[in-house]
Amino acid sequence: EVQLVESGGGLVQPGGSLRLSCAASGYTFSSHNMNWFRQAPGKGLEWVSYISSSSVTIYYTDSVKGRFTISRDNAKNSLDLQMNSLRVEDTAVYYCAREYGPARGPDDYWGQGTLVTVSS
Amino acid sequence: DIQMTQSPSSLSASVGDRVTITCRASQSINTYLNWYQQKPGKAPKVLIYAASILQSGVPSRFSGSGSGTDFTLTISSLQPEDSAAYYCQQSYSPPRTFGQGTKVEIK
Repeated sequence: EVQLVESGGGLVQPGGSLRLSCAASGYTFSSHNMNWFRQAPGKGLEWVSYISSSSVTIYYTDSVKGRFTISRDNAKNSLDLQMNSLRVEDTAVYYCAREYGPARGPDDYWGQGTLVTVSS
Repeated sequence: DIQMTQSPSSLSASVGDRVTITCRASQSINTYLNWYQQKPGKAPKVLIYAASILQSGVPSRFSGSGSGTDFTLTISSLQPEDSAAYYCQQSYSPPRTFGQGTKVEIK
C-alpha cells in the first residue's frame, strides 16, 4: 500500500525556519517525481515545489524561490522541504504528493498534510 | 503560468441530481486535466485524470470530458457522500495550477 507521511510542521515566528519531511513507502520511490502543495486555512490548493525522480529538475512557485529548498533521498525514500525566512502568508497545511508514472500524470497519492503556522 | 477558471464556486443540489462543474484553461492544455475531491480535514483525492480517465476505485457516477481549454466534471446522480470541494488541475506544464474550487453541498 502506497503511503506518504509528512512531519515537521509547527508554529514558527516570522523569519524562522522549518524543515518538512515526507516518508514514502509501498512503492519504488526513486521512480516517481514528487511535489509539495499547500493549502492556506479556508483557501484552495497551491503547488509549491517539484522535484524529478533523480533530482535533476527542480521547480518552485515564485513566492518561495530563494527561501524554500526541495530535496530527496532515494536511498531513504524521503522527500524534504527546507523552509527559511518564513512569512505569515506561508501559513498552510503542506502536503507531499506523488506524480503518477507517465509524464504529466496526476498527483495520485497524497500525504495527510502537516500544518505550518507562521505567527509572532 | 496557466490560469484555471472553475465554475461555479459553490452549488447546492439534491440527492440524485445531475451536477456539472466546468473548468477553463487560459491556454490549450490538450487533455492534461485532472479532477480532485477534497473533504474537510482530508487530503485531496484524484477522481479523474487525463480529462476523462476514471481513477481506480472511483464510482462510475463521476465522469470527465473536454480537451484544449474547456473541461467538465459530471456527477450523474449526486450522493450524500459527494459533499466536498472539487478542484481541477492542469498538469500540462509547471506550475501545476488549480482552479479555485467548487464546494458541493447536499440540499
